[in-house]
Amino acid sequence: GIQVEQSPPDLILQEGANSTLRCNFSDSVNNLQWFHQNPWGQLINLFYIPSGTKQNGRLSATTVATERYSLLYISSSQTTDSGVYFCAVADSGNTPLVFGKGTRLSVIA
Amino acid sequence: GAVVSQHPSWVICKSGTSVKIECRSLDFQATTMFWYRQFPKQSLMLMATSNEGSKATYEQGVEKDKFLINHASLTLSTLTVTSAHPEDSSFYICSARAPGGRGRTYNEQFFGPGTRLTVL
Repeated sequence: GIQVEQSPPDLILQEGANSTLRCNFSDSVNNLQWFHQNPWGQLINLFYIPSGTKQNGRLSATTVATERYSLLYISSSQTTDSGVYFCAVADSGNTPLVFGKGTRLSVIA
Repeated sequence: GAVVSQHPSWVICKSGTSVKIECRSLDFQATTMFWYRQFPKQSLMLMATSNEGSKATYEQGVEKDKFLINHASLTLSTLTVTSAHPEDSSFYICSARAPGGRGRTYNEQFFGPGTRLTVL
């Protein structure tokens, strides 16, 4: 099956700093989603982005499907951005998402 | 986005008892839902695919007789952990793919808030 690798595994930032999280996947996908898991375990949908670029406030994401990677950009980080960021992919319409191991982000004041 | 709920949000039970977890899609119908399990500081691992009106499809290594899945309607799937043991303690999360429209993207999946199971 599809393999998903995320980097870095852990990241510590000073408040206000920018960061880039990377997701590599091993095969063609027709679904790629980025999530933020909050301290209570809820997965918050950030982006649905099997290809192209999207922006939502301080967050943006780019997926280069032909090269099998996606990037999540966080600008002007805030302490509330702390948590685990997951990339997940699926190779067809109604198949389950396969998750990477996540990037654990800590933003310190 | 779409709303997926789970009940209960947490449960503590004695070893040997059975626990039922409900997953509901509140504002859309879902012919397929997915069940995941997450251990502390680990990623989500798919347990099974729940199909409305038919048998669930289990991932390799997941005991179908231990984790009973019933997708009784287009808005409800249940996961029953039978004869639970301490090693079944985990965070269980369900998801569903929402149809397009209402600001949602077709094919996007949404997750419930999870159920934390502790077996004593």
